[in-house]
Amino acid sequence: TQLLEQSPQFLSIQEGENLTVYCNSSSVFSSLQWYRQEPGEGPVLLVTVVTGGEVKKLKRLTFQFGDARKDSSLHITAAQPGDTGLYLCAGAIVGNAGKSTFGDGTTLTVKP
Amino acid sequence: KAGVTQTPRYLIKTRGQQVTLSCSPISGHRSVSWYQQTPGQGLQFLFEYFSETQRNKGNFPGRFSGRQFSNSRSEMNVSTLELGDSALYLCASSSLRAGDNEQFFGPGTRLTVL
Repeated sequence: TQLLEQSPQFLSIQEGENLTVYCNSSSVFSSLQWYRQEPGEGPVLLVTVVTGGEVKKLKRLTFQFGDARKDSSLHITAAQPGDTGLYLCAGAIVGNAGKSTFGDGTTLTVKP
Repeated sequence: KAGVTQTPRYLIKTRGQQVTLSCSPISGHRSVSWYQQTPGQGLQFLFEYFSETQRNKGNFPGRFSGRQFSNSRSEMNVSTLELGDSALYLCASSSLRAGDNEQFFGPGTRLTVL
């Protein structure tokens, strides 16, 4: 059983469209991170959310942490081809710092 | 500040051989984690080292081992390689400040087992 479920697994959209990626779990996380990975490279940290209900914005990207700290979402406004990549959520379960669990990722393709 | 570095970037081995991968964390980071990434299994946690001690371990066979040195640099070793060990091996370092688990990844080592 995957601890962190991401959906959708694949997403292909046109430039300018909006999209939302979800990360869900039955476990409570002390913090949750979102990463973006390009082929052949390591994931790059985008954001960390720590407080339940927290919303963080990074230019056209909006990240939200669920009130119960069990789920998170990533919303991209007016997607651009440069947003193409694998988006991964990861979390550390409460009391287990140092061990992150990753979702399977969402592969996003933005067509010009 | 220099990022996480991994060597080598690419490696080709044959079944039964062993391999050692190296990782240098960001200066000041004492936690180093290793992951295996494959198209079918995603990113799987191997182990985490903190101050030269293995603190967390994933569900991998004993053929996968690692260590951390006093300067926080880490190595992982895979013995008796199998075809299924072909993957991108990622190292990540973390300062573990304020209880978050932000990790900074290296570019990875692409291992191909023939």
